Amino acid sequence: AQKVTQAQTEISVVEKEDVTLDCVYETRDTTYYLFWYKQPPSGELVFLIRRNSFDEQNEISGRYSWNFQKSTSSFNFTITASQVVDSAVYFCALSEAANDYKLSFGAGTTVTVRA
Amino acid sequence: KAGVTQTPRYLIKTRGQQVTLSCSPISGHRSVSWYQQTPGQGLQFLFEYFSETQRNKGNFPGRFSGRQFSNSRSEMNVSTLELGDSALYLCASSLRESGTGELFFGEGSRLTVL
Repeated sequence: AQKVTQAQTEISVVEKEDVTLDCVYETRDTTYYLFWYKQPPSGELVFLIRRNSFDEQNEISGRYSWNFQKSTSSFNFTITASQVVDSAVYFCALSEAANDYKLSFGAGTTVTVRA
Repeated sequence: KAGVTQTPRYLIKTRGQQVTLSCSPISGHRSVSWYQQTPGQGLQFLFEYFSETQRNKGNFPGRFSGRQFSNSRSEMNVSTLELGDSALYLCASSLRESGTGELFFGEGSRLTVL
């Protein structure tokens, strides 16, 4: 069975600090997909990134960066120079190739950025 | 282009009643998935529909059902409501043919069962 663990329940930082969100996953499939979603107070989940299991390249998108390490089954997310607008709940998710539209989500990490 | 639209956004029901939630996907998307979000269980997959067929189902009792119409709009129904069904129900649409697995979510329907 697939499983996603986000160890941090809540993180609070001051604006301009960097924040890293940890995500560890378990799966028996060799082909799988990893995602990060952001959930602002409005409720809708906003897609941030998707990675497949064969692509271990790290990615940077503006102030966001992701570190995928298959050896430790981790897919961590860093927000550099955080801003108040980054305050939200962030979810890591996993889907397996056989059920690629069925996502298993972690419990989420609430990030609060204080001005 | 318009995003995923869910109606109603908020509703209150009492135990034993039934409820129907609606989801209109992004134009051109034929896959619609439903998720339940609660403080205790987090985000859990309910089911996915593609071209009017249920492709996948989560571990929920038979009181939870859904369907998809020819225009890709989807509805989910919960019968004999229980207090524990209080949750945010999120719908997501995707271009299944693209194989990207990227889901676009609506803002959800918040159900309160009294």
